[in-house]
Amino acid sequence: NAGVTQTPKFQVLKTGQSMTLQCAQDMNHEYMSWYRQDPGMGLRLIHYSVGAGITDQGEVPNGYNVSRSTTEDFPLRLLSAAPSQTSVYFCASSYSSLGEYKDEQYFGPGTRLTVT
Amino acid sequence: LAKTTQPISMDSYEGQEVNITCSHNNIATNDYITWYQQFPSQGPRFIIQGYKTKVTNEVASLFIPADRKSSTLSLPRVSLSDTAVYYCLVGDPSGTYKYIFGTGTRLKVLA
Repeated sequence: NAGVTQTPKFQVLKTGQSMTLQCAQDMNHEYMSWYRQDPGMGLRLIHYSVGAGITDQGEVPNGYNVSRSTTEDFPLRLLSAAPSQTSVYFCASSYSSLGEYKDEQYFGPGTRLTVT
Repeated sequence: LAKTTQPISMDSYEGQEVNITCSHNNIATNDYITWYQQFPSQGPRFIIQGYKTKVTNEVASLFIPADRKSSTLSLPRVSLSDTAVYYCLVGDPSGTYKYIFGTGTRLKVLA
């Protein structure tokens, strides 16, 4: 298994540009999520999904859109990039999103985004 | 939203046992407590998870008191390679599936 993969690894955008960060997992996980991590800070939840066709907002959803058309993929779209969105973006997945027991999350390697 | 509180940083020496405590006063009745480790430039990595009492695996132990309002991650005999940020994580008490990371504890292991 490749686990959780993210592309690109690095990206530089100009203010106002849009782009999509890709995230894929090959573990048949139901739950997927996106976090951002600013330098020296903790992770903040942007959006998450408990299954194909179901998404919901996290702590900091403004400026980002997500969709979940398949179990494997969970892309994150930046609508109009701003310097405040300069961060490292991590995608994560876990097997069980329903019920009382919540499995550990597996994190991807991250995408380093700089907005100038 | 669920909130956890941890010490911001800790220093320790090689070979010592390190205990990091996390406070989670509003944990939901059916929620688990999970700890992650993060090295610079990497995504977090699962360490251990528990519901109550004590859980032990090959790298750590997790102690959870009866009221479950806190938990303590115990790392036995740390080495320099254990220098990292440690996060405890609980779900949102509303029952949705939001996993909110706290600020984490930056552990520095000294030679």
